[in-house]
Amino acid sequence: NAGVMQNPRHLVRRRGQEARLRCSPMKGHSHVYWYRQLPEEGLKFMVYLQKENIIDESGMPKERFSAEFPKEGPSILRIQQVVRGDSAAYFCASSPKVGQPQHFGDGTRLSIL
Amino acid sequence: KQEVTQIPAALSVPEGENLVLNCSFTDSAIYNLQWFRQDPGKGLTSLLLIQSSQREQTSGRLNASLDKSSGRSTLYIAASQPGDSATYLCQGGGADGLTFGKGTHLIIQP
Repeated sequence: NAGVMQNPRHLVRRRGQEARLRCSPMKGHSHVYWYRQLPEEGLKFMVYLQKENIIDESGMPKERFSAEFPKEGPSILRIQQVVRGDSAAYFCASSPKVGQPQHFGDGTRLSIL
Repeated sequence: KQEVTQIPAALSVPEGENLVLNCSFTDSAIYNLQWFRQDPGKGLTSLLLIQSSQREQTSGRLNASLDKSSGRSTLYIAASQPGDSATYLCQGGGADGLTFGKGTHLIIQP
């Protein structure tokens, strides 16, 4: 029973490029959460999605960041025109229903040159 | 590989009581330890982060301690309130990434 799968595990981008992070939730899970962990800081919530809908994006930066969870395929966290400050570990979690425990992926470590 | 255990799995106490949640970890080469709360329908909310060089952190009615030698962390909640009802998770950060405990489901009875 595969867990939450995130890819790539490591992603290197130059300033100004786009970064796409993918998250495949556990089978049967329709709720996806994205978190960011900046160096020396704890994990911080970014956005919560349920199939094709954004439920809560209160932790998402207003510009350059977007997230989607299409009917088919993985959830995508997209960062446009990356800057050095975007370097962080990005974690995805999924749950089967609201209020159920979240299962976390191993994260994508994004490095901006 | 790091293993994180939280005890108890569930706890119910009357409002106003002080309480302690426990977290133990197997790899003492931990980089940091973080406590979260999880409310239904919400993402995790970070409460306190303790770096490996620190012994404790405080925020309001919350105090978290870290003892690397014994592999333990505690979250102390003073003067508990019904709004404190949630699931509390601890997470250890180390060389092999982030490891979460399964959480303590806390209910504060009004």
